[in-house]
Amino acid sequence: EVQLVESGGGLIQPGESLRLSCAASGFTVTDNYMSWVRQAPGRGLEWVSVIYSGGSTYYADSVKGRFTVSRDNSKNMLWLQMNSLRAEDTAVYYCARVAIASAGLYYFDYWGQGTLVTVSS
Amino acid sequence: DVQMTQSPSSLSASVGDRVTITCRASQSIRGYLNWYKQKPGMAPKLLIYAASSLQNGVPSRFSGSGSGTDFALTISSLQPEDFATYYCQQSYSTPWTFGQGTKVEIK
Repeated sequence: EVQLVESGGGLIQPGESLRLSCAASGFTVTDNYMSWVRQAPGRGLEWVSVIYSGGSTYYADSVKGRFTVSRDNSKNMLWLQMNSLRAEDTAVYYCARVAIASAGLYYFDYWGQGTLVTVSS
Repeated sequence: DVQMTQSPSSLSASVGDRVTITCRASQSIRGYLNWYKQKPGMAPKLLIYAASSLQNGVPSRFSGSGSGTDFALTISSLQPEDFATYYCQQSYSTPWTFGQGTKVEIK
């Protein structure tokens, strides 16, 4: 059974750093594309980043240069390193597995339960 | 960036109603369009991928259509568990973008 469990969220001050974790089971993280998606309180979904199976990474402009996605082959985990956090980064962060229907045709087929990050002084 | 615009932003409907939500892309995204359902406090759930393919386990009352810039999600007979917020999402190009959501409420 595919399962994704995020952790690492919490209350953090502006300008500080936080690392989120996503523990995967039922599949191999490095064989798949994996993404982070966030949702600010009362708002819609915002794609944050993706790491391809080959290791390439892409980011939303709003986090580019501040956030870094990575993965751990031995632990089957996904990470999101978030630096220089801002109030507008406050959100529930979801990790999601990316399925591939065909070249360019991607969708999020499994999601974790999310972890809340609150950036406030 | 490809902008996704859903309409309406919210709607009220009754159990048994036929409901259609539309999603328009700011440029052609071919058929690279997915639909998700989200209930309060829960993670989103995939309903439809590639514009019209039903995800395993999703009831057949859900259907998707469209290509290019205009897409639709239809619920043929609304059930109590369908009251939720629905999002479209394009994967044609990064940054992958979502629509702003359509909240389906009980009339």
